[in-house]
This record gives sequence, C-alpha cells and structure tokens, in this order.
Amino acid sequence: EPEVTQTPSHQVTQMGQEVILRCVPISNHLYFYWYRQILGQKVEFLVSFYNNEISEKSEIFDDQFSVERPDGSNFTLKIRSTKLEDSAMYFCASSEAQGRDTEAFFGQGTRLTVV
Amino acid sequence: GQQVMQIPQYQHVQEGEDFTTYCNSSTTLSNIQWYKQRPGGHPVFLIQLVKSGEVKKQKRLTFQFGEAKKNSSLHITATQTTDVGTYFCAGRRIAGGTSYGKLTFGQGTILTVHP
Repeated sequence: EPEVTQTPSHQVTQMGQEVILRCVPISNHLYFYWYRQILGQKVEFLVSFYNNEISEKSEIFDDQFSVERPDGSNFTLKIRSTKLEDSAMYFCASSEAQGRDTEAFFGQGTRLTVV
Repeated sequence: GQQVMQIPQYQHVQEGEDFTTYCNSSTTLSNIQWYKQRPGGHPVFLIQLVKSGEVKKQKRLTFQFGEAKKNSSLHITATQTTDVGTYFCAGRRIAGGTSYGKLTFGQGTILTVHP
C-alpha cells in the first residue's frame, strides 16, 4: 500500500541551528502538507503546498520556516534557526486533491528535539 | 480563526463498555474526518463525513455528522483493548464556496481501555 515516508525519524539539534525535514509523499498525490504536534497536544496545521507554491499557511509558519519540492518526489520543511519551542513531532501529509472528498495520508513523523 | 473543540479530553472505560467522543466546530464545515493515533504513532485516517446528517458505520464504530455540519461524534460499541489510542476529529472549512485542504484538528480524546 502506498505510504508517505519521512526522514529522519528523530532529529536532535542545537538551538539556533538549521534543520531540514524530508518527506516523500505518495507518488500520484498533488497536495502536500506539514503539521506538527507538540508532545501531548493536538495536531496543528503549518502549511499546504500545491503546484510548487504555498497555498495556505498558519500563524506558526513564520519567516523561520520554508518548504520546498526540490525534485519530483521530495517535499522538505526547513527551519532556519531552531528554537526550543520548535521541539515537536512533525508530520508530512499528502492528498490526491484539496477539496471535499479527499483524505490526507500522514507519514510516520519526525521527532525534532531542540536542545 | 476556525476552532474545533473536542470532548472529553480523557475517557477511561472497562473493556466491553461503550465510548463516545464529540466534536464541535466554530464554523460550518465542508467535511469532517476522524483519525486514530496510537501512542507514539501517527494519525491514521478512519473515515470522512461529507453530507449533512450523515451516519457511517465501521464494524463497532459509528460516526455522525450534524445537520448543521458543525458537529460530529464517534461512538464505539463494546470497546476492546485494541481501541486504545487518541481519537481526533479534523474539519475542513468552507470559505467563499471553496473547500480548503487544511485540516483543523480537535484536541483529541485519549481512550484507555481496562481489560
């Protein structure tokens, strides 16, 4: 069964360092998303991406965050200068379409720990 | 912005008892999705409800979408230990007639089942 894959599964970084989280969405999907989940809390939307541009982003997704689809398969989330409060589980998701009747498939997540 | 509230936050049941979690949105939704997240895992799609008043069943799970498309519920009959996890509702909003891909998650209900 097709799945969204994320690497690494766990990333530890020092405060102020840049991190890149990688995702390979399901191959025929067109819409890509990043969500994050701080430990014990709900899943929060960060950004959606379609046709090589951001289609929607949340207040969390500030200038420190960026997304890119560098080739036909990868979808990356970059955090330029990490803060302690960026520690969370980051989930990539993809869907065939954006509209009414499409489910989002989530990857296994990358646990980011900022120390 | 759109808010999705979910109650209860925690539910402890004995195996065989029923369980219900409720979800309320501050705005009318295009559709609502339900996800299950096992401890340490990622959200796994359970079902999507699109139509006003829709009811769907999956074995022991019954999902309802309110007439106003602002609330939803998940009911599990005769819980089993395999039902343990956090159940999230996630809504897609309508704005200007467009259904946006972003999912707004509720806080989740953590279900514990005692054998």
